[in-house]
Amino acid sequence: GDSVTQMEGPVTLSEEAFLTINCTYTATGYPSLFWYVQYPGEGLQLLLKATKADDKGSNKGFEATYRKETTSFHLEKGSVQVSDSAVYFCASLFTGNQFYFGTGTSLTVIP
Amino acid sequence: NAGVTQTPKFRVLKTGQSMTLLCAQDMNHEYMYWYRQDPGMGLRLIHYSVGEGTTAKGEVPDGYNVSRLKKQNFLLGLESAAPSQTSVYFCASRRQGVNYGYTFGSGTRLTVV
Repeated sequence: GDSVTQMEGPVTLSEEAFLTINCTYTATGYPSLFWYVQYPGEGLQLLLKATKADDKGSNKGFEATYRKETTSFHLEKGSVQVSDSAVYFCASLFTGNQFYFGTGTSLTVIP
Repeated sequence: NAGVTQTPKFRVLKTGQSMTLLCAQDMNHEYMYWYRQDPGMGLRLIHYSVGEGTTAKGEVPDGYNVSRLKKQNFLLGLESAAPSQTSVYFCASRRQGVNYGYTFGSGTRLTVV
């Protein structure tokens, strides 16, 4: 069945470091792919999405490219800030009515 | 535009008590969902609804009931609370179609003692 696997955390980076959070999916077809971010004490917010192969989603300096060949949707940012400290969730949506979420990756950025 | 509003934000229940969590959305979304979030477990789907008057079970439905009498509201009920239901509960809604993501509420932190 459909599923999403993302790298386990926690991840700790220094400010201005490069960020990669890996996400791979399993699906019988080609799902839409999403990254959500959860700041402490808040609900999840949509960060970016890609709905077909080779699409690149981007927002707030974050990027992710839908790679059909490797069934991946890795999240990247060239220079992280302290304000990026949060939990990041990868998710897939196929033809059904619900998302499949990864277990989340906690990111802490230190000054 | 308020988005998705959950009430209450915090609640402490004694074992065996009942309560209802309310989720309201003002975006005219067709689909609504209830999730619980526990440390190390990610998000787990409890119940969902694809339209007014319809509901369906998710991954962890036992001990919960839901109702969607109006399109904008999705209620989650706990008939007899148990300590295992201590969690943070999130409601989400979205438009129909695979290109649309969720809009989440800010969560309800429930403690059952």
